[in-house]
Formats: sequence, C-alpha cells, structure tokens
Amino acid sequence: DIQLTQSPSSLSASIGDRVTIPCRASQNIGSFLNWYQQKPGKAPELLIFYASSLKSGVPSRFSGSGSGTEFTLTISTLQPEDFATYFCQQSYDTPRTFGQGTKVEIK
Amino acid sequence: QVQLQESGPRLVKPSQTLSLSCTVSGGSISSGDYYWNWVRQTAGKGLEWIGRIYTTGSTNYNPSFNSRVTISVDTSKNEFSLKLDSVTAADTAVYYCAADRGGDFDYWGQGTLVTVSS
Repeated sequence: DIQLTQSPSSLSASIGDRVTIPCRASQNIGSFLNWYQQKPGKAPELLIFYASSLKSGVPSRFSGSGSGTEFTLTISTLQPEDFATYFCQQSYDTPRTFGQGTKVEIK
Repeated sequence: QVQLQESGPRLVKPSQTLSLSCTVSGGSISSGDYYWNWVRQTAGKGLEWIGRIYTTGSTNYNPSFNSRVTISVDTSKNEFSLKLDSVTAADTAVYYCAADRGGDFDYWGQGTLVTVSS
C-alpha cells in the first residue's frame, strides 16, 4: 500500500497567517494527490484534486502544489473558518490511502 | 448535485455482520459517472478506504479487510450497500459513503457511527 505521511499532526497559527501543510508519499504517485478539509462531526470535504486543481466553489486562498512524493497544501491568508483538520489522499492506486491529518489550531 | 445518506443499525454485536446502505439522490447511480465507495474513520487508524463499486457491479476492496467485506449495488433503489462480516470492537467507527469520479472523493454522506459491542 502507498503510505502518506503528514507531519506535523497539528500546528498553531493566527488569523491572516500563511499556512503550509506537507504530505509525503512512500512512492512516486505523480500528481494523483487530493486534499480534504474536515471539521468536527462533519464529513471530509474535497478542496484540491490532482495535486493542484481547485474544486469549484473552494476559496482561492487554498492552493496545492507538488508531484512525485512531495506535496503541499497552502492557505495563503488563514481565515477563522479554516481551523480544521486537513488530510491528503492518493488516487494513484488501490487501496486508496489517506494521511493521518494535520490539525490547524488557533494560536 | 449528488447527495448521499447512510442508513443501518448503529449497534452490532461482536462476530455478527455490519450492514449499511447508502441512498443516492440528485443523480442516478446507474449513470456511470461515479464509483461508489465506503470509507471509515477511527481515532486510532484515521480514514480507511474499505472499497468501491461501479454501476456494472465491478468491485475493488481493500485487502486489509481480509475478504470480510462485500459491496453491492441496487439500481432500482438508487442505493449501494456494505456488509462487513465477523466484526470486532476494532470495527467501531464512523462509516461514510462517498462518490468518486477520478479517484478523489467528490461527495460524502454525513457519516454514521457504528458501535460493535455486546
């Protein structure tokens, strides 16, 4: 199975900060990497697909980059509603796998 | 827009079979536009992909479930289902159904907590 590593598991940031969340794959997955946001008690929501494509309706402050084994989700200017947990997920192969998540907390 | 809703028993006894259904609205499950997936989430293991089915009935399963899992589709009801055999406490989780078009999960159900306990 392809392992996805997200570190740190949590980070503290302030409103207006630029936040970067890394995700590392255990093998080359090209651009088959997706990002989700999850808030407590809710299902994950797709933000970015194919490493850097923004899902329709998602604010443009979210962006994704990377290919191969190293990927990054960036929030350009952190807003109050962005405090949540972010997961990466690979769609290169089955079984589909997810990272363990990075929780963005208020500093 | 596709909407999904899980349903089924919230409490299952150990060694029994967990059964959930996912009703699809806002689109036809037979359209061929999506794969229909089951994903679960636990505090310990995080998000785990269980498997998926296509409208043709073709399935892919996560080998980590050791052949305990069956996913089926009922096009007449516009729903798909999950059966997980021989459950233990480790199968206690929030179970989600989700639709994917290109490997990313576009749409999710709200999730249902299933507890395995006697």
